Amino acid sequence: DIQMTQFPSSLAASVGDRVTITCRASQGIDNYLNWYQQKPGKPPTLLIYGASTLQTGVPSRFSGSGSGFDFTLTINPLQPEDFATYFCQHSYTTPLTFGGGTKVEIK
Amino acid sequence: QVQLVQSGAEVKKPGASVMVSCKVSGYTFSDHYIHWVRQAPGQGLEWMGNINPKGGSITYAQRFRDRVTMTRDTSTDTVYMDLSSLNSDDTAFYYCARDRHSGIIPTWDFDFWGQGTLVTVSS
Repeated sequence: DIQMTQFPSSLAASVGDRVTITCRASQGIDNYLNWYQQKPGKPPTLLIYGASTLQTGVPSRFSGSGSGFDFTLTINPLQPEDFATYFCQHSYTTPLTFGGGTKVEIK
Repeated sequence: QVQLVQSGAEVKKPGASVMVSCKVSGYTFSDHYIHWVRQAPGQGLEWMGNINPKGGSITYAQRFRDRVTMTRDTSTDTVYMDLSSLNSDDTAFYYCARDRHSGIIPTWDFDFWGQGTLVTVSS
């Protein structure tokens, strides 16, 4: 199985900050990497697929990059509604696996 | 609008089975694979498998293969996930999620999710 390592596991930031979250795959996955946002008590929502393509309706302050092993999700500038947990997920092959999540908290 | 509506919370004893349903609407049922993902309270996400509503083909994650059954009912646009031999580690929210791509080859990312069904396993 492909292991997805996400870091940091949590971070504290202020509104207006630039936030970067990293996801590393245990083997090369080309650009088959997706990002989700999850708020408490809700299911995840798709933010980015194919490493860098914004899902319809997602604000442009979200961006993704990377290919192969290392990927990043950037939020710039951070808005109050962005405080949530973010997960990466590879879609390279089955089983599909997720990173452990990054909780973005208010500083 | 696209909706995936799941059945309600369940409480089960160890060793029992649970069936969770996921009724879809707002799109053509056969056009998108449906996946099942679970999340233990406060924990990460775990993919369990998927089903193709069009032909019924299924892919299960290896770790669930012996205990999970996914089916679909095309007359009611509903997908079912049955998990047997439950233990306390199966206590989790279970989500159905739609594969983003409409077509023969899924993209294995999830654009719409059900609201989640909490399954609690306790003696």
